[in-house]
Amino acid sequence: AQKVTQAQTEISVVEKEDVTLDCVYETRDTTYYLFWYKQPPSGELVFLIRRNSFDEQNEISGRYSWNFQKSTSSFNFTITASQVVDSAVYFCALSDNNTDKLIFGTGTRLQVFP
Amino acid sequence: NAGVMQNPRHLVRRRGQEARLRCSPMKGHSHVYWYRQLPEEGLKFMVYLQKENIIDESGMPKERFSAEFPKEGPSILRIQQVVRGDSAAYFCASSPGGSAVAEAFFGQGTRLTVV
Repeated sequence: AQKVTQAQTEISVVEKEDVTLDCVYETRDTTYYLFWYKQPPSGELVFLIRRNSFDEQNEISGRYSWNFQKSTSSFNFTITASQVVDSAVYFCALSDNNTDKLIFGTGTRLQVFP
Repeated sequence: NAGVMQNPRHLVRRRGQEARLRCSPMKGHSHVYWYRQLPEEGLKFMVYLQKENIIDESGMPKERFSAEFPKEGPSILRIQQVVRGDSAAYFCASSPGGSAVAEAFFGQGTRLTVV
């Protein structure tokens, strides 16, 4: 069965600290996609990244970076020099290869204090 | 997520009433997915539709819930005889489908409150 685990329920940091959000997944598919979404207090879902299972290169986008390791089935998300505006719930998700539906983790609530 | 339109954004219903949630996918997208987010929880898949067809409804409650995606017009998620436990945010996502890409664009959600 497919499953996404975000073990960290809530993380609190002080502004400018680096923070890593963990994501571990389970799937039997050889082709799949992994996603991260941000849900700010306003409630919408903001797409952050999609990563193909064949591409294990780490990715950096500004203060955001992602570390994909198939050997440990992990797709961790790091925010460098966190800001108050980063406060949100972050969801990791895995796509089903047959239907493209997404299996979400339970989310990690990040609070960044000034 | 620009382009997927959900309405209404907020919906209040009394227990026993019907709730209709609408989702217009992005232009060119023929696949629609509905997800439910209960308070303080993650999103759970409900149903996957293509035009005029239900492909996967494994996440739909057995009773009171139905979904359609007609040839013309938006996808509709219908909840009959709503109960307090139906209070949640309902998100719609669309994708072009096919094997080339697996990326879903989400609407802003409909927040249903049952009083």
